[in-house]
Amino acid sequence: SAVISQKPSRDICQRGTSLTIQCQVDSQVTMMFWYRQQPGQSLTLIATANQGSEATYESGFVIDKFPISRPNLTFSTLTVSNMSPEDSSIYLCSVKGTVNQPQHFGDGTRLSIL
Amino acid sequence: QQPVQSPQAVILREGEDAVINCSSSKALYSVHWYRQKHGEAPVFLMILLKGGEQKGHDKISASFNEKKQQSSLYLTASQLSYSGTYFCGTEPVGGGSTLGRLYFGRGTQLTVWP
Repeated sequence: SAVISQKPSRDICQRGTSLTIQCQVDSQVTMMFWYRQQPGQSLTLIATANQGSEATYESGFVIDKFPISRPNLTFSTLTVSNMSPEDSSIYLCSVKGTVNQPQHFGDGTRLSIL
Repeated sequence: QQPVQSPQAVILREGEDAVINCSSSKALYSVHWYRQKHGEAPVFLMILLKGGEQKGHDKISASFNEKKQQSSLYLTASQLSYSGTYFCGTEPVGGGSTLGRLYFGRGTQLTVWP
């Protein structure tokens, strides 16, 4: 399976600031996604990162708060904007090669907001 | 879109068996199963595709009943390494903009004691 690198692995940020998380894959993948996992909770899909076009957001998530870029088939970024303590979570990117293939996760970014 | 997982928690002695269930109200294209250990990213276990199939890997197997939108994960002769939280991720039928998206259950916490 593809090797997925997420940066940073963790960060502590001040409220009101923004952080950009990077997801790099060692091979081209068709689909990339961003998830959030709050402490002790399940994984919640934030958006589908579409290559060369705007991301597709799930209900409850908006582009102004979570802008996403995907300039090519191996790289995507998620920005968490104007952060508040409620944004403290693990943010994970995942990739999927083709329709019938598994979806694999990166190691995640552990974000704490003070 | 979130599937229902049961039970919430299971405690086993080494060598015992367990079954984890996942049920969706939506027609499904696939079901993914993951295991997540504390502080780590979810690790892919297996994918079951529409068509109603059963898969196995070592002492872990799973089934998918597409008519009932249900999947079950079977862990036999459990080992200490099986401990963790198990998540099912369901991919609804639809394709197009929903292709590849996974919606996760709340998880089942499995603890195996020696």
